[in-house]
Parts: sequence; structure tokens; C-alpha cells
Amino acid sequence: GDSVTQMEGPVTLSEEAFLTINCTYTATGYPSLFWYVQYPGEGLQLLLKATKADDKGSNKGFEATYRKETTSFHLEKGSVQVSDSAVYFCALSENNQGGKLIFGQGTELSVKP
Amino acid sequence: SQTIHQWPATLVQPVGSPLSLECTVEGTSNPNLYWYRQAAGRGLQLLFYSVGIGQISSEVPQNLSASRPQDRQFILSSKKLLLSDSGFYLCAWISGVRNSPLHFGNGTRLTVT
Repeated sequence: GDSVTQMEGPVTLSEEAFLTINCTYTATGYPSLFWYVQYPGEGLQLLLKATKADDKGSNKGFEATYRKETTSFHLEKGSVQVSDSAVYFCALSENNQGGKLIFGQGTELSVKP
Repeated sequence: SQTIHQWPATLVQPVGSPLSLECTVEGTSNPNLYWYRQAAGRGLQLLFYSVGIGQISSEVPQNLSASRPQDRQFILSSKKLLLSDSGFYLCAWISGVRNSPLHFGNGTRLTVT
């Protein structure tokens, strides 16, 4: 079945450091890909998404490119801030499956001043 | 604008006791509704989803059940809680628009003792 694998955390960075969180997926069809962020004590918020190969999703300085050839959707940010500390989830949905998302296990990011 | 409400925010229940978690959505009609669970140190797992009043689909066999008595109300229940039911429960909704994102509530932290 479909699955999502993320790099394990926690990831600890200093402020202004470069961030990469790896995400790879397995899917039988042509999924849409998402990154969600969960701040402490809160639910998940959509960070960015890409719906087809080579699409780049971006938001709040974060970027991820849908790479079909490597089945990856790595999350990057050039300069992280303390306020970026959160848990980040990579997810996929098969086309027309709407809210039936398959999530990775999440990667905790801690940014130190 | 659309909002999603989930309550309670935290809950501590003894083993064998019943459970009722409620979720309501405002500002939209006929949403698809979802219950996800996040166990400690793990990703999110889809438990139930509903495409309409009285229509419930279960994704995994378990000790829990779901009901949708009204268009914008989704309830997660159990007759007798198990220790393994502990976790972070998230309600979510999605509109019928293609590629629209999944919107999450703030979640309920359930601890079964």
C-alpha cells in the first residue's frame, strides 16, 4: 500500500541555519503531496502542497519540490527562526481521495537562538 | 469563514470507561469529515471518515466508533476505553473542491489510566 517515510527527528538547528527534512513516498498512482506543521499543543496546519510532478510548493520561506523520479518531496528553508520550532509531517493523498491522507511519522524541529 | 471546533482539549479517563469526543464545523455545508489519531512518537492514522449524515467508513478495526448525527457534527465514541486508546485525536474536514486542503481542529489529548 501507499506509504510516506520521513527522516527521524528530533532535528536541532541554530537560528538562521539551513533546513532540510527528507520525505520519500510510495504510491501506486499519482498522488498529491503535502507538508503539514504542528505547533506545540495545536492541531495540524497545511504548510504547502504540490499536486503533480515538478510542482514546487512554497509558503513562509519553506519550499518542497515534487520529484517523481526519486519519489521525494523534501522540505527546505534557507534560514530558520525560533518560531519554526514544531513537528513537520509529510503526507500524500491519492487523486480524488480528498481528506484520506497518509502521513509520515513526523519530524520534530527545534531551533535555538 | 469556516472554523472547526473540537472538545474537550484534554481528557483523562480510566480503563473501561466510555468516551465521547465531539467535533463541529461552521461556515460550510456537506463537508467530508475525518477522525485521525496520533499515538505517541508516531504519525497520524486515519480512523474514520464520513461523506454525509449517517455515513461512516472505518479505516482500521478498533475499539472505537464514529457517528454523524448532523451535517456538521462528527462524534467519536467508545463503550469501554483501553490503555491503547491513549493518544491525540484530531478531527478534520475538507470541502468538495478539487485539491482543497484538509483543515484540522486543535485536537483532544486523551490519556487512559
